[in-house]
Amino acid sequence: DVKVTQSSRYLVKRTGEKVFLECVQDMDHENMFWYRQDPGLGLRLIYFSYDVKMKEKGDIPEGYSVSREKKERFSLILESASTNQTSMYLCASSSTVPGSSGLEDTQYFGPGTRLTVL
Amino acid sequence: GQNIDQPTEMTATEGAIVQINCTYQTSGFNGLFWYQQHAGEAPTFLSYNVLDGLEEKGRFSSFLSRSKGYSYLLLKELQMKDSASYLCAVRPWGFQKLVFGTGTRLLVSP
Repeated sequence: DVKVTQSSRYLVKRTGEKVFLECVQDMDHENMFWYRQDPGLGLRLIYFSYDVKMKEKGDIPEGYSVSREKKERFSLILESASTNQTSMYLCASSSTVPGSSGLEDTQYFGPGTRLTVL
Repeated sequence: GQNIDQPTEMTATEGAIVQINCTYQTSGFNGLFWYQQHAGEAPTFLSYNVLDGLEEKGRFSSFLSRSKGYSYLLLKELQMKDSASYLCAVRPWGFQKLVFGTGTRLLVSP
């Protein structure tokens, strides 16, 4: 079974703090993703990565950065947390192994981190 | 642009059948996914369609019409544990990433 873990389930930080959210997957997946989920807005992609040291902006990258130094680990960084970054953050991973089923890049999600910025 | 529409909320009774619709307009199409998400938990993969037609998986089935930009998830013999949000997501052509709808919250009552 694919396992995606996130460093914290709940986190409370103060405005202006630097925040690190970490995600680890154990399936040797090439692709990793960071989303935030807000009521009425659904899942929105912040950043994603296709390979080690590689990153690409998603739909809402402002105020965030990421790091992928190892294949299994993808970190989301809030350089200076703000109250509008209070949200549920979800990490996901998927494979890029070629195949015919189309399911190769099904995304598997971690349990989420509920971040509150005061 | 990318646009995926689902109803916000639905209610149904235990033992009944419910159909959750999803319409999409995306720059390309290379598959549609349905995920289930219980409150406070991670989304979990339910089904995948890339060709037109119905895919059946136990109590859950998913249908796709690419010409209409339309999919539905059919849940039969509803159980209380089916109360959750159901997320429709489209994979645009050539991209690994998914575009998600805002989800449909299903409440199953006794």
